[in-house]
Amino acid sequence: EAQVTQNPRYLITVTGKKLTVTCSQNMNHEYMSWYRQDPGLGLRQIYYSMNVEVTDKGDVPEGYKVSRKEKRNFPLILESPSPNQTSLYFCASSLKPPGPGPRVETQYFGPGTRLLVL
Amino acid sequence: KQEVTQIPAALSVPEGENLVLNCSFTDSAIYNLQWFRQDPGKGLTSLLLIQSSQREQTSGRLNASLDKSSGRSTLYIAASQPGDSATYLCAVHQGDSSYKLIFGSGTRLLVRP
Repeated sequence: EAQVTQNPRYLITVTGKKLTVTCSQNMNHEYMSWYRQDPGLGLRQIYYSMNVEVTDKGDVPEGYKVSRKEKRNFPLILESPSPNQTSLYFCASSLKPPGPGPRVETQYFGPGTRLLVL
Repeated sequence: KQEVTQIPAALSVPEGENLVLNCSFTDSAIYNLQWFRQDPGKGLTSLLLIQSSQREQTSGRLNASLDKSSGRSTLYIAASQPGDSATYLCAVHQGDSSYKLIFGSGTRLLVRP
């Protein structure tokens, strides 16, 4: 089954304790991205990756890191989590990045990771 | 800076009603607009995508329209069912070099049996 998986699904941690949220897709997609969703603010992009070893900042990258060593995996790293990073996080992937032209790629979203930082 | 707004934030209707969800955006220079559905505990599912050159798209009981010049899109749901209860999000792909979608904050829909 084609899917995007995230782990863990729920996480409670304390300020300053490094954590990693994993994201994996089995569709050989080139483009992957991370979003956070907060009440009243919709989804905001944190980082995205056009392909292996190619990553770039989205709208709210502060306090986050990513890596793309393999095509299927795109982990999100919080080196020193803070309470304002409490949020619902989504990973998404598509065969190609969103862009112009006649072919528009469907974005596949993971189920989300709910993070609470105390 | 592009801003996407969805009104209303929440909507409750009895089963069988036809309903309209609204999405507006401030910058009309978009490549496309997408409507997503979000269920609790699950990710987003793409419902409909409208290219900037198109006026509407249909899928089953769903019809999405786009008026780029006025910065508006609507999602029409015909004969609503309890299974339609979810949060509906619209997102635009900005017409520049950025490779991202800009989302509205969503409309939470409850269809009462």
